[in-house]
Amino acid sequence: GESVGLHLPTLSVQEGDNSIINCAYSNSASDYFIWYKQESGKGPQFIIDIRSNMDKRQGQRVTVLLNKTVKHLSLQIAATQPGDSAVYFCAERGSGSARQLTFGSGTQLTVLP
Amino acid sequence: GAGVSQSPSNKVTEKGKDVELRCDPISGHTALYWYRQSLGQGLEFLIYFQGNSAPDKSGLPSDRFSAERTGGSVSTLTIQRTQQEDSAVYLCASSPSSGANVLTFGAGSRLTVL
Repeated sequence: GESVGLHLPTLSVQEGDNSIINCAYSNSASDYFIWYKQESGKGPQFIIDIRSNMDKRQGQRVTVLLNKTVKHLSLQIAATQPGDSAVYFCAERGSGSARQLTFGSGTQLTVLP
Repeated sequence: GAGVSQSPSNKVTEKGKDVELRCDPISGHTALYWYRQSLGQGLEFLIYFQGNSAPDKSGLPSDRFSAERTGGSVSTLTIQRTQQEDSAVYLCASSPSSGANVLTFGAGSRLTVL
């Protein structure tokens, strides 16, 4: 079946620097791509989504970029803070009758003091 | 309630026993999902409920797994004759409607099968 995967399992950044988390996908028919954040001991939490007909979407300190040519998705976090330390998952929602989200394996982001 | 509530938070059981995991979704949310997260892995879809429609069971890994949702609210995930490979965190999520990108997850039920 279709899958969503990540380039790097771990990422360490200095506090205050920008973070970029990457994700590759294979399902060209996905309607939406979504980023979730999971802190230790908690369930995943929605961050931001982007529709497949868009290239970029900005939120508060976060930007998601979608490159459909190479099937690549990225999450940029500006001025990374200690509270950003978590596992980040990309997910995709298929079109049509597929109602569940398909998640990738996650990237562990560690913010260094 | 204010969020999605799951119980128990931790469950240790012996191989071969049956377990039940409970999920209380956000009041008014019609869609309810179960996912499984193995150690250091992503989320594996198990089953999805939407209102009174037939559930999407396409992610259940075997016939030892079943789930029900009573009255369109509380859901129970049942694993019969547990195996060690069933050890994982079982996450429940709900959303106001089907096809939503914003799922509200509970903290999960950690299952350990000895």
